[in-house]
Amino acid sequence: SQQGEEDPQALSIQEGENATMNCSYKTSINNLQWYRQNSGRGLVHLILIRSNEREKHSGRLRVTLDTSKKSSSLLITASRAADTASYFCATVISSGSARQLTFGSGTQLTVLP
Amino acid sequence: DAGVIQSPRHEVTEMGQEVTLRCKPISGHNSLFWYRQTMMRGLELLIYFNNNVPIDDSGMPEDRFSAKMPNASFSTLKIQPSEPRDSAVYFCASSRPVAYNEQFFGPGTRLTVL
Repeated sequence: SQQGEEDPQALSIQEGENATMNCSYKTSINNLQWYRQNSGRGLVHLILIRSNEREKHSGRLRVTLDTSKKSSSLLITASRAADTASYFCATVISSGSARQLTFGSGTQLTVLP
Repeated sequence: DAGVIQSPRHEVTEMGQEVTLRCKPISGHNSLFWYRQTMMRGLELLIYFNNNVPIDDSGMPEDRFSAKMPNASFSTLKIQPSEPRDSAVYFCASSRPVAYNEQFFGPGTRLTVL
């Protein structure tokens, strides 16, 4: 089963509104990353939050991490039509030098102009 | 930097044929990852290399799949013989020689097996 599971599976909002996506995972992690995928394209890294961090900002993005609940959230403020994409959380487990990411199933965000 | 380069971008082949997908990672990156993405199964890690050495191939679905990395700037994923259920988008990604780092994805190869 997927290490990370996003919620909701699909989200539709108006331009200018905020979008919040959630991710839950099962095992202890070293860090959690969020990626964006535009239709027909590869994934693009957005932000990385380490297990000892609780909140991180990057432009209009805000990520929180609650390791006690094994969950993370991605907030996109003042959304734009160009933010329409699929958003994936990915976890890196705490295991030696393992570098592989385990991706969730993604949230499809649609921002209506 | 050109980013991760994959070829071909699209491949249509008939069942039973051999398919070879190619990837050139970003220069200086020492980890390379092959993923498969389908609607049903999402994004799955197939195999990854560190310093050209395969580290974990547990995601390779069957013996029909094989991957090589003969040098730091080139990797191939081969399917022989191909089957219709192999139809998917295959992504290659690379990352810098720092553990737990972000990955940079290529544009993907859309494979259709008829």
